[in-house]
Amino acid sequence: EAGVAQSPRYKIIEKRQSVAFWCNPISGHATLYWYQQILGQGPKLLIQFQNNGVVDDSQLPKDRFSAERLKGVDSTLKIQPAKLEDSAVYLCASSLPGLAGRADTQYFGPGTRLTVL
Amino acid sequence: AQSVAQPEDQVNVAEGNPLTVKCTYSVSGNPYLFWYVQYPNRGLQFLLKYITGDNLVKGSYGFEAEFNKSQTSFHLKKPSALVSDSALYFCASPAGTGANNLFFGTGTRLTVIP
Repeated sequence: EAGVAQSPRYKIIEKRQSVAFWCNPISGHATLYWYQQILGQGPKLLIQFQNNGVVDDSQLPKDRFSAERLKGVDSTLKIQPAKLEDSAVYLCASSLPGLAGRADTQYFGPGTRLTVL
Repeated sequence: AQSVAQPEDQVNVAEGNPLTVKCTYSVSGNPYLFWYVQYPNRGLQFLLKYITGDNLVKGSYGFEAEFNKSQTSFHLKKPSALVSDSALYFCASPAGTGANNLFFGTGTRLTVIP
């Protein structure tokens, strides 16, 4: 079974530029998550999708971050414009749509390491 | 609020010795608890999870975790450490009642010394 795919693996940009990350979840996984992992910290949720609908985006800095999952499969996370503090690893994860609160196992992609100069 | 805490930033253990990585939780209701491992330049890999039932949960790569309700702990253990176990370990729980997304601890870096 193929895992969660992400691209690019690494990205270096200057502040105020824009960047986009792509994620393809495990086949059949309706739930997709984007996490931000700053060096030395645990991952923090940015946004959660159930199929193509947003379940939780309360931690997403909406003035600069946006995400979509138009067909309920692939997802794109965008940052525009980027700030220095956006330097982090962006992790995509997917899971089966289990019962609410059961927290089915999430499977993570390799992540995209973003460096903002 | 649901949360987990990892009191140790770094754990060193000699190869062949037993290892323990600590996690405590603050969860209302039935706790669901997870352990993930992160190798350099890799995403997180699922090790094991506790939902209900036996307090000793067995997972991947020979790891197990002991759920202790009285001490609100969910420590990760392995009887004999390998150098290849050196990695960053995260404890996690659902971020809130009814939530599916996870709240992660700050991580513990395990170094197994040959």
